[in-house]
Amino acid sequence: GAGVSQSPSNKVTEKGKDVELRCDPISGHTALYWYRQSLGQGLEFLIYFQGNSAPDKSGLPSDRFSAERTGGSVSTLTIQRTQQEDSAVYLCASSRTPTNTGELFFGEGSRLTVL
Amino acid sequence: AQSVAQPEDQVNVAEGNPLTVKCTYSVSGNPYLFWYVQYPNRGLQFLLKYITGDNLVKGSYGFEAEFNKSQTSFHLKKPSALVSDSALYFCAVRGGTGFQKLVFGTGTRLLVSP
Repeated sequence: GAGVSQSPSNKVTEKGKDVELRCDPISGHTALYWYRQSLGQGLEFLIYFQGNSAPDKSGLPSDRFSAERTGGSVSTLTIQRTQQEDSAVYLCASSRTPTNTGELFFGEGSRLTVL
Repeated sequence: AQSVAQPEDQVNVAEGNPLTVKCTYSVSGNPYLFWYVQYPNRGLQFLLKYITGDNLVKGSYGFEAEFNKSQTSFHLKKPSALVSDSALYFCAVRGGTGFQKLVFGTGTRLLVSP
């Protein structure tokens, strides 16, 4: 597609349920990132994938959070046993280059509300 | 670890006037600096970046930013603001060698009044 695609755009769930958020990066982009944007906060880095290398999971806030990237393209962020503090907008981004000079292209985000 | 500070939660400016959105950073080694804009209910859009070279960087929609190494700043500027520039602006930095996550500031809301 022309841009980074994320689904669902909105998700309302009950505390304790599991959720899956999907990201389809720009074709040909080898690097993929997940960030979380909470109200009044900046963007919090969660995880980074680059090609076949082991992902950088240093930003995942707890072991309830996990992510995978299949075939070097689509990525799924999974949150198990959701808590109210998980409510946020989850943003996915991709980059053509894995270097530190490349800009990121963001999707429109998945807004998660945990009741 | 790298960090970014955006000292103003909100900047108000009248249409036609110049605007500045402030950003200071902290990073070891050479900084790679970025500005993004977020319109309501939309994802972040890349505006411009500084990697090396000329300290004045020009980007999308008439925006520019000035890199100042001694002051560790990368302020976003535009000579003449438009109402349509009203949005949330994020400064971001990464640096050093190897993979460096892009670290964002908390954002500055720009309101341009007619």
